[in-house]
Amino acid sequence: DSGVTQTPKHLITATGQRVTLRCSPRSGDLSVYWYQQSLDQGLQFLIQYYNGEERAKGNILERFSAQQFPDLHSELNLSSLELGDSALYFCASSVESGASTDTQYFGPGTRLTVL
Amino acid sequence: AQKVTQAQTEISVVEKEDVTLDCVYETRDTTYYLFWYKQPPSGELVFLIRRNSFDEQNEISGRYSWNFQKSTSSFNFTITASQVVDSAVYFCALSDPYSGGGADGLTFGKGTHLIIQP
Repeated sequence: DSGVTQTPKHLITATGQRVTLRCSPRSGDLSVYWYQQSLDQGLQFLIQYYNGEERAKGNILERFSAQQFPDLHSELNLSSLELGDSALYFCASSVESGASTDTQYFGPGTRLTVL
Repeated sequence: AQKVTQAQTEISVVEKEDVTLDCVYETRDTTYYLFWYKQPPSGELVFLIRRNSFDEQNEISGRYSWNFQKSTSSFNFTITASQVVDSAVYFCALSDPYSGGGADGLTFGKGTHLIIQP
């Protein structure tokens, strides 16, 4: 158990809908990262927050957004969902300087299925 | 641009055999970090090792060992006396946020699916 929690574990929804994925980092970690794992694209970095501020952006679609709250939990919002958004979404956290060179500990993931 | 190549898509060995998973990376920077993660059938990603570009010493942890060769841009992972519980997908990842222009997250390889047969 990495100490990173993600809810829900599974999510099934329809095209065009909007969903919110939630992540709680390990106690004391200030950085939260979001990744998407799909069969065709593999594991891809989406976005990073550090102590409430957006730190870096990766291959995140404009339909997706995220935020980190004062208690350091983070939410990833996915809107206007398409079939291709079906994937496993991971959250990771790290404690040190907030750079991606720190060790990132991953949550169990949320499996999103868009029908 | 950053890139991680794990050329072995799938490896199957019999229990107790040694197995090496290859990882080759590309980066323009001299300062970077390399990682290995394990993804068992249950789906979570488990951290195994982090190594910075200035530390070329090989690392051993129980049955696991890692060989970092800067000259060939490789960071290979060996499991000695493999066990069925080692069956998983293994990912190599790179972080080099100092080169600029790229995203500040981990760049993952496609993974190697390791099957240990009893």
